[in-house]
Amino acid sequence: EVQLLESGGGLVKPGGSLRLSCAASGFIFSRYSMNWVRQVPGKGLEWVSSITSSGTDTYYADSVKGRFTISRDNAQNSLFLQVSNLRAEDTAIFYCARALRGAKGSPIDFWGQGTLVTVSS
Amino acid sequence: EIVLTQSPATVSLSPGDRVTLSCGASQSITSNFLAWYQQKPGLGPRLLIYDASTRATGTPDRFSGWGTGTDFTLTIDGVEPEDFAVYYCQQYGSSPPITFGPGTKVEIK
Repeated sequence: EVQLLESGGGLVKPGGSLRLSCAASGFIFSRYSMNWVRQVPGKGLEWVSSITSSGTDTYYADSVKGRFTISRDNAQNSLFLQVSNLRAEDTAIFYCARALRGAKGSPIDFWGQGTLVTVSS
Repeated sequence: EIVLTQSPATVSLSPGDRVTLSCGASQSITSNFLAWYQQKPGLGPRLLIYDASTRATGTPDRFSGWGTGTDFTLTIDGVEPEDFAVYYCQQYGSSPPITFGPGTKVEIK
């Protein structure tokens, strides 16, 4: 059974940083591109970032470019998102999500339960 | 960036009803790379349909997707109690960025 378990969220002050993690199990992690998608509670979904299966290529939404960094450790079946210079508008649930096929031109076939990041002074 | 719109914003139904949800795109979606997701409170979304009309593994056949270019639909033929949720469309033809529609809430009448 595919499982994606996010962690690392919490309350952080504006300008602060966090490192979000996603532990993957139930599939061969190194074969899949992965994504981070966020959702303001009660609102819609916003794609944040993608990374190819090898980690060679990464992609970011304009709203987070230069502040967030996606990475992965295939040996540890883990996905990461370093979020820095946080703003109030970054407050959201962050989901780890698996791409069905590649980092481009792919739907997302499995999602975690999310980790909440709250940016507030 | 392709902008997606969804209608209606909310629809009220009784179990057994048939409903069609719409998703429109600001420009043609390459290869009809359009997906539909279902989200229930407190959970991550669940993939229902991809490539406009292909059911994901485990999607009941009462769900069907259709469309091409800029106009897409998701039909639920005989709504079950477990289908009351929010439904999002997503395009991945011109990605990155992947973009999502604002969602349609399917609620119990």
